[in-house]
This record gives sequence, structure tokens and C-alpha cells, in this order.
Amino acid sequence: AQSVTQLGSHVSVSEGALVLLRCYYSSSVPPYLFWYVQYPNQGLQLLLKYTSAATLVKGINGFEAEFKKSETSFHLTKPSAHMSDAAEYFCAVSGDAGNMLTFGGGTRLMVKP
Amino acid sequence: KAGVTQTPRYLIKTRGQQVTLSCSPISGHRSVSWYQQTPGQGLQFLFEYFSETQRNKGNFPGRFSGRQFSNSRSEMNVSTLELGDSALYLCASSLAYEGRTDTQYFGPGTRLTVL
Repeated sequence: AQSVTQLGSHVSVSEGALVLLRCYYSSSVPPYLFWYVQYPNQGLQLLLKYTSAATLVKGINGFEAEFKKSETSFHLTKPSAHMSDAAEYFCAVSGDAGNMLTFGGGTRLMVKP
Repeated sequence: KAGVTQTPRYLIKTRGQQVTLSCSPISGHRSVSWYQQTPGQGLQFLFEYFSETQRNKGNFPGRFSGRQFSNSRSEMNVSTLELGDSALYLCASSLAYEGRTDTQYFGPGTRLTVL
């Protein structure tokens, strides 16, 4: 069975600082990995996805993530946080069970001025 | 292209009632999946429909059901509502041809409150 663990339910950074959100996955087959962002009272917006091509994936809004098979990780980073990045971020995996996404518990990112 | 749309956006029901939620996928997408989001359980997969057939099902009781129409629009139904069914219900669509995993695009959700 596939699973996702996101370390840190809340992460706080200062504006302009590095953003690092951690995601570990387990999957019995080569996974597809996704990061989604959710703003208050909205649905999920796709940030980026890994589908076994390049291990460093670039997404929207300056975010990127690196797939590391040896660590079973897919951490999300952004070099410089902006106030508008404050939201909840979800890592998800699919592959074990077809087109079904398994989500991590989410990380709420707070950006201090 | 228009995104995934869900109606209604907000619903208030009482225990014991039933409810139907609707989802229109992105044009050309034949797969529609439903997820439940609650503060306690997070995001959980309910079911996926592809070409009017349920292809995957999550671990939810039989009170939760769905269907998909020939135009790919989907509905989910919850019967005999319980307080614990209060949640944001998210619909996602994708191309997801036979056996393939594909990127899912989410709608804004329907916020269901059960009193």
C-alpha cells in the first residue's frame, strides 16, 4: 500500500527566507508524486509533479522539488518566501492503486513579514 | 479550458437526510475522482469513475455512492447523513486512460455541514 508522511504540520518562515517542506513516500511501484497547494476555502491547485523523468521538478510560483529514490523523499523548496505563499501544502502519491491519490497530512506554511 | 466545477458550493443538512453533490470535469477528461477532506482525517479518497464505471473505491461505508454520466459529469450521494459527514468534498478530473495514472485537477469543493 502506498503512503505519504509530511514532516511538520506547521512551518513558519520569514519573508525572503528559504522554504523547505518535507515529504516521504512509500510505494511498491515506481511512484507518481505531486505537490498541491490549498488556499483558504478553495480546492487544491497543482504545484508540480514527478513522473519518472527528471528528478528535479520545477513548478509554478518558483517552487521546485527533488525526487530522491534512496531516501524515498520528495521535498518541496522555494528559495525566497513571499507573503502570498502562506497556505496549506499537500504531498501526494499515486501508482500502487491506479489513479488514486494518497495524501500526506498537509503542512501549513506561515510567512512572517 | 474551463476548470472543474462543483455544485453547490455550500450545503447544510440535518442528520438522517441524504445529499447529492455534482461535479463537471474539464472538457475531454473521462476520469472523475472524489475525495473527502476533514480536519481530523485529512484528505481521503472516496471513489473514481471512468467511462461511467467505478474503477477504484476507498474505504467508506455504503452510504457513500456515486455515478458518472455519458458526458463524464459525476454525482456523489450520501444517504442517512451523520454529523461526521461534515466535510469539504472535492472532485478531481483527469485524462487517465486505461490503467494509467494521470494528473488530477481539483474543483473548488462542496462544503457540507450536517447539523
